[in-house]
Amino acid sequence: QSVLTQAPSVSAAPGQKVTISCSGSSSNMGLNYVSWYQQFPGTAPKLLIYENNKRPSGIPDRFSGSKSGTSATLGITGLQTGDEADYYCGTWDNSLSGVVFGGGTKLTVL
Amino acid sequence: EVLLVESGGGLVQPGGSLRLSCAGSGFAFNYYAMNWVRQAPGKGLEWVSGISGRDGTTYYANSVKGRFTFSRDNSKNTLSLQMNSLRVEDTAVYYCARQGYGTYWYIDLWGRGTLVTVSS
Repeated sequence: QSVLTQAPSVSAAPGQKVTISCSGSSSNMGLNYVSWYQQFPGTAPKLLIYENNKRPSGIPDRFSGSKSGTSATLGITGLQTGDEADYYCGTWDNSLSGVVFGGGTKLTVL
Repeated sequence: EVLLVESGGGLVQPGGSLRLSCAGSGFAFNYYAMNWVRQAPGKGLEWVSGISGRDGTTYYANSVKGRFTFSRDNSKNTLSLQMNSLRVEDTAVYYCARQGYGTYWYIDLWGRGTLVTVSS
């Protein structure tokens, strides 16, 4: 059972927009910034969003992040089949003095 | 090229020990906090441990506290994760990961991972 809660799966058609949610608590997302990671099967995760809504160099603006209170959202517009992957949120938890991740959301582009 | 390369994974019996290493290159190693993140087969990401850049302060997940020890040698740009009293549930791919430079936690660079299998 992950400390951060994500839906196990989400799907949408090519070209459409999808949102992936991440829910936490006052000790983690309520106090700290959230980051998002994309992972393809058999490969290491990749940073998509950091500090709630910042994109690293090279990440297209089709990917966006937001946070409100103890929940965060990753948005992906103009979906492509190449976006099919697992997506994870993560943040620091002040009560645990450690990092917590969501359980991951598998994105299917139909 | 900015790189993290893990080594040391393998098969070990329950109760045994293993030492993972990670070599960093292409960046100012001592400036960055570093982490280990693992992923059990077919499961999600689980943070294992973190270490600060300069003073070597360490943090551990409750699941490994007292069994794993994270250390770094900034003169050699290397990290070590000593894993003792290994359990079947420690089986996972272990990723060495660089923490983003600044105040807030995020990972901006990942190694390719090394597989640890704990089985009799």
